[in-house]
Amino acid sequence: DAGVIQSPRHEVTEMGQEVTLRCKPISGHNSLFWYRQTMMRGLELLIYFNNNVPIDDSGMPEDRFSAKMPNASFSTLKIQPSEPRDSAVYFCASAFGRGQGKGEQFFGPGTRLTVL
Amino acid sequence: DAKTTQPTSMDCAEGRAANLPCNHSTISGNEYVYWYRQIHSQGPQYIIHGLKNNETNEMASLIITEDRKSSTLILPHATLRDTAVYYCIVRVVRWNRDDKIIFGKGTRLHILP
Repeated sequence: DAGVIQSPRHEVTEMGQEVTLRCKPISGHNSLFWYRQTMMRGLELLIYFNNNVPIDDSGMPEDRFSAKMPNASFSTLKIQPSEPRDSAVYFCASAFGRGQGKGEQFFGPGTRLTVL
Repeated sequence: DAKTTQPTSMDCAEGRAANLPCNHSTISGNEYVYWYRQIHSQGPQYIIHGLKNNETNEMASLIITEDRKSSTLILPHATLRDTAVYYCIVRVVRWNRDDKIIFGKGTRLHILP
């Protein structure tokens, strides 16, 4: 398995533009997570899905952020409009429940977003 | 999820055992101890987890005290590639789905040549 796949790996955009980050989880996993990492705030959870349904979006900063999971093999995180303070590395992770695994999350390589 | 306390940073000589402590004095009976690490510019990587017994795998050993209020992650023969930030996490793990991880600041481990 190729692991969790994220695209793009790097994104540079200007303030006000729409940004879409993409994630393909590991096949068979039923939970998907979006995290954001900055020097100031560390790693923080934005939203997570179980069986394609959002379970907890309390970490989503504001209405400018939205996430979807239209099927088990694809998720998007959209920022519209983007702001310089959104600059961060965004990680996607996927997992089984403990009944099928060790309760470990598998992280993708991340998307480094820079908003100018 | 319970909070954890870890040292900010540690050094260890290459080839020696690295012992990373973690305090989790408010852990509940159904919460597991998980360890992840993050090598520079990569996503976090699972290392090991346990409930109350000591655990060992190909990467590390996990020692949990009898009262479960603290634990130690042991990397038996540290290499330069073990230089990373190590996160100790306490969490409930469901049977049918996974739940969010709340990451703290972790311990920055430097392996010295």
